[in-house]
Amino acid sequence: EIVMTQSPATLSVSPGEGASLSCRASQSVYTNLAWYQQKPGQAPRLLVYSASTRATGIPARFSGSGSGTEFSLTISSLQSEDFGVYYCQQYNDRPITFGQGTRLEIK
Amino acid sequence: EVQLVESGGGLVQPGGSLRLSCAASGFSFSNYWMHWVRQAPGKGLVWVSRINSDGKTITYADSVRGRFTISRDNAKNTLHLQMNSLGGDDTAVYYCARAQGMGVAAYDIWGQGTMVTVS
Repeated sequence: EIVMTQSPATLSVSPGEGASLSCRASQSVYTNLAWYQQKPGQAPRLLVYSASTRATGIPARFSGSGSGTEFSLTISSLQSEDFGVYYCQQYNDRPITFGQGTRLEIK
Repeated sequence: EVQLVESGGGLVQPGGSLRLSCAASGFSFSNYWMHWVRQAPGKGLVWVSRINSDGKTITYADSVRGRFTISRDNAKNTLHLQMNSLGGDDTAVYYCARAQGMGVAAYDIWGQGTMVTVS
C-alpha cells in the first residue's frame, strides 16, 4: 500500500498570508493525486485533482503542484473560510490511500 | 442539483449488522464508479470499498473484506453497503463518494455521511 505523509501536522496562518502544505508518497503516484478540504461536521470537498487541476468552483487562490512522490498545495492570500483539515489522496494504485491531514488554523 | 444522501447508520452491538444506503440524484448514476470511505471519530479518511458502473467489479479494503458487501441498484439510483460482524474498529462516519473516472480516481461528489457506532 502507498503511504501518504503530510506536513506540517498543523499550520497557523494569518488572513491575507499564504500557506503551503506538503504531501509525500512512499512511491511514485505520477500525477494521480488529489487534495480535499474538510471542515468540522462536513464531508470533504475536492479542491484539486491530477495534482494541479482545480475542481469546479474552486477559487484560483488554491493551486496544486508536483509529480512522482512530492506534492504541494498552495493557498495564496488566505481567507477566513479556508480553515479546516486538508487531505491529500493518491489514486494511482489500489488501495486508494489518504494522508493523515494538515490542520490549517487561522490566526 | 448533483447530490448523494446516505442513510442507515446508527448504534449497533458488536457482532451485529447494518445496511447503509446512498441515494444519488442530479446525475446519471449508472455511468459512475462509486466508493465508500469512512472516518473514525477524530481520525483521517480511509477507503472501504468500490463498485463499478454495472456492479460487476468490486474491491474491498483488507479490513472489511469478508464482512462488508457493496452493491448498487442502478434502476433506483442507490448504492448500498451491507456490514456484518461489526466491531469497535468499524465505528466511523461512512461517506459514499462518486469517482470522477473509471477504477481509481478522485472523488468529486460526497454524501454528508452517516454515523455508525458499534458499542
